[in-house]
Amino acid sequence: IAGITQAPTSQILAAGRRMTLRCTQDMRHNAMYWYRQDLGLGLRLIHYSNTAGTTGKGEVPDGYSVSRANTDDFPLTLASAVPSQTSVYFCASSDSSGRGNEQFFGPGTRLTVL
Amino acid sequence: GQNIDQPTEMTATEGAIVQINCTYQTSGFNGLFWYQQHAGEAPTFLSYNVLDGLEEKGRFSSFLSRSKGYSYLLLKELQMKDSASYLCAVIDSNYQLIWGAGTKLIIKP
Repeated sequence: IAGITQAPTSQILAAGRRMTLRCTQDMRHNAMYWYRQDLGLGLRLIHYSNTAGTTGKGEVPDGYSVSRANTDDFPLTLASAVPSQTSVYFCASSDSSGRGNEQFFGPGTRLTVL
Repeated sequence: GQNIDQPTEMTATEGAIVQINCTYQTSGFNGLFWYQQHAGEAPTFLSYNVLDGLEEKGRFSSFLSRSKGYSYLLLKELQMKDSASYLCAVIDSNYQLIWGAGTKLIIKP
């Protein structure tokens, strides 16, 4: 693994179903983030984690939960998916000691909720 | 509230120069990023400014004026591969990144 990986690449999901988006980084970065990107709205922060064992809410946290059991993994769970959660989801990480908190992004997960 | 403004879309000609502006109103300022995002791909880092002035990196330059809450990204000798969205993002007082909606740049031959 080099950088950040996300799985799945894309998913079609029925409303009401539970879904976990996976994110793994091998750069030993302290901080990790989950964003959603919708046309015309740019990137919006869902949840973040400054270090393993801690998480925080971003701009649009409702309907989503995260955990950070270790440095490398930061899964995002939709407990009961709704159509408004149709979006492209990006995971990112940063080294808090690095250049201004530069964030490195995974390739994204395209999620469609029907 | 916090706000970052960028033009939604710009068009330029191959070989020309284009300037993409970004104005921001945030709670505090700890730096500004420009990212490039090709359609269907993840954003990738272009530049970082924390002090006033111009940062040059090859064909790309980024300028910052903290007193005016203003930055621009300058792209020279445009190539077709520069067709992408350009995202401006500001680090606020809580060290969170606040993102603009992005500027879609269309390059025509």
